[in-house]
Amino acid sequence: AQSVTQLDSQVPVFEEAPVELRCNYSSSVSVYLFWYVQYPNQGLQLLLKYLSGSTLVKGINGFEAEFNKSQTSFHLRKPSVHISDTAEYFCAVSDLMGGSEKLVFGKGTKLTVNP
Amino acid sequence: NAGVTQTPKFRVLKTGQSMTLLCAQDMNHEYMYWYRQDPGMGLRLIHYSVGEGTTAKGEVPDGYNVSRLKKQNFLLGLESAAPSQTSVYFCASSYWDRARHEQFFGPGTRLTVL
Repeated sequence: AQSVTQLDSQVPVFEEAPVELRCNYSSSVSVYLFWYVQYPNQGLQLLLKYLSGSTLVKGINGFEAEFNKSQTSFHLRKPSVHISDTAEYFCAVSDLMGGSEKLVFGKGTKLTVNP
Repeated sequence: NAGVTQTPKFRVLKTGQSMTLLCAQDMNHEYMYWYRQDPGMGLRLIHYSVGEGTTAKGEVPDGYNVSRLKKQNFLLGLESAAPSQTSVYFCASSYWDRARHEQFFGPGTRLTVL
């Protein structure tokens, strides 16, 4: 079974600072990888996804992530964060079990952007 | 398009009571999912469906039942609620093919079992 580890449960940063949210996965096969964002009291929204091709993936709101197969990582980055980026971020990996597609989520990283 | 909607948004139950959560999607997605979200645990899959009339167990299925009588609806039932089922429940849907694989989430239902 596949698994996802988000190495930091909480990340505080100051506004306009860069941020990196770390994600590692375990898998013996090719995977699809996703980052979702959850703003307070809302559902999850897709930030970006890696299916194939370029290992650098750009998403919404200025976020990007890099797929590193040798290190089984998919870290999320933003060069300059805003107060509005305060949210919880989830990394997920696709798990094709029993012929149907499911996602396995990490436990989440709470990003707090301070003024 | 409304996307994925969930009813109700909030509910308080007493131990032993039953209830049904409704999820509806208007994107003609084949797959639908129910998750629960607990602090520090991420999202855990309860049940899922790959098409009308089909359901399957996820990671934490005990104490829940589901039905998918229509393609656009996916119901989650709690027959005898327990305090351990206090959680936020999310429904999601997606296309079947991997090329378009992205799950779209509803706004959630916050359930408290006393």
